[in-house]
Amino acid sequence: DAMVIQNPRYQVTQFGKPVTLSCSQTLNHNVMYWYQQKSSQAPKLLFHYYDKDFNNEADTPDNFQSRRPNTSFCFLDIRSPGLGDAAMYLCATRGASTDTQYFGPGTRLTVL
Amino acid sequence: GNSVTQMEGPVTLSEEAFLTINCTYTATGYPSLFWYVQYPGEGLQLLLKATKADDKGSNKGFEATYRKETTSFHLEKGSVQVSDSAVYFCALRLIQGAQKLVFGQGTRLTINP
Repeated sequence: DAMVIQNPRYQVTQFGKPVTLSCSQTLNHNVMYWYQQKSSQAPKLLFHYYDKDFNNEADTPDNFQSRRPNTSFCFLDIRSPGLGDAAMYLCATRGASTDTQYFGPGTRLTVL
Repeated sequence: GNSVTQMEGPVTLSEEAFLTINCTYTATGYPSLFWYVQYPGEGLQLLLKATKADDKGSNKGFEATYRKETTSFHLEKGSVQVSDSAVYFCALRLIQGAQKLVFGQGTRLTINP
């Protein structure tokens, strides 16, 4: 039944050690989003894909990259995690003709 | 710019109490408005939405009405349950581009038996 799946649910990495978070969807949606949610804050959009077209938010640091090899999967790469990157990372999807975003359960990233 | 302001939490109520969580927004144009709920350890779930002025969204006993004149979308429920304990986010959806969501800061709700 799971529609938007994120793996792992919890990720621990070391300062400066690259890490990749995964998102997959069974909805066949065109649009996939990555949000960062720091403790007790609102989710903040990092970037999104419309099909293969990548769209970065203006204030997303270069340290954050993304890949979408096919419709179902999208990855978030953090090249050199800092302590300030510890957060919950949420993936969401949306169909091209709908207005509702469907969220995954999130990956909580800890940076040591 | 586009922004959402929510009532600050945390909010603690007794079971069967009446709930209101205030939400106001600033936006260019006429955005769609949403309430999302986040249960502990989980992602966001859509609770309800409204796409134009005077629309009322409703789900699971929760309601919110899109008020253009006051730029508000307050969430209400007549009788809350312990299972309603969660964080509630008000959001607007931009019409242009990515149609991204702009969230309020969230309101943590705790219902005591």
